[in-house]
Amino acid sequence: GDSVTQMEGPVTLSEEAFLTINCTYTATGYPSLFWYVQYPGEGLQLLLKATKADDKGSNKGFEATYRKETTSFHLEKGSVQVSDSAVYFCALTQGPSGTGNQFYFGTGTSLTVIP
Amino acid sequence: GAGVSQSPRYKVAKRGQDVALRCDPISGHVSLFWYQQALGQGPEFLTYFQNEAQLDKSGLPSDRFFAERPEGSVSTLKIQRTQQEDSAVYLCASSRRDTQYFGPGTRLTVL
Repeated sequence: GDSVTQMEGPVTLSEEAFLTINCTYTATGYPSLFWYVQYPGEGLQLLLKATKADDKGSNKGFEATYRKETTSFHLEKGSVQVSDSAVYFCALTQGPSGTGNQFYFGTGTSLTVIP
Repeated sequence: GAGVSQSPRYKVAKRGQDVALRCDPISGHVSLFWYQQALGQGPEFLTYFQNEAQLDKSGLPSDRFFAERPEGSVSTLKIQRTQQEDSAVYLCASSRRDTQYFGPGTRLTVL
C-alpha cells in the first residue's frame, strides 16, 4: 500500500543554518505530495505541495522537489529561523480529495531552531 | 468560517464513557475526513464523507467508533465505551481539490 517515510527527529539547528528533512514514498501511479507543518498547540497547516514529477513546491523560503526517479520529496530551507520550530509532516494522496482519496502521512520530524 | 473548527479542544474521559467530538468544516467543502493521531505519530485515516454520505469507513478501528454528518456540514465522531488505547488527537479535515485543510484537533485522554 501507499506509505511515506520521513527522517527521524528530533532535529536541532542554530538560527540561519541550512535545513533538510528527507522524505521518501511508496505509491502506485502518480500521487500528489505535500509538506504540512504543525506548530505547538495548533493544527496541521499546508506548507507546500507538488502534483507531478519535477514540480517544485515552495512557500515561506521552504522548497521541495517531486523526484519520481528516487521517489523522494525532501524539504529544504536555506536559512532557518526560530519561528520555524515545529513538527513537519510529509504526506501523499492519490488524487483529488473530492473522490475520497485519503492522505498518507509520515511520522513527522520535530525541528527546534535555537538562537 | 475561515477555517475548520473542532470542539472540544480537550476531552478527558473515564474508561467506559462515551464521547462525542465535533467538526465544523470550511463552508462549501463537500469532502470531510477524520484522522487519528497518536502521540509521536502522523495522522491516520479513519473515515470519509462526501456531503452527508459516509463513503469510506475502513479506518475506523472498531465498532465502538461511529461518525455522522447528517446535513452535509457539521460532523460528529462518537466513541462508545472509551478505552485507554483511544487516547489520541482526533483531527478533522475538509478538502477542496487535492488539498486538505485541517482543524486544530481534539485531544482525547482516557483515564
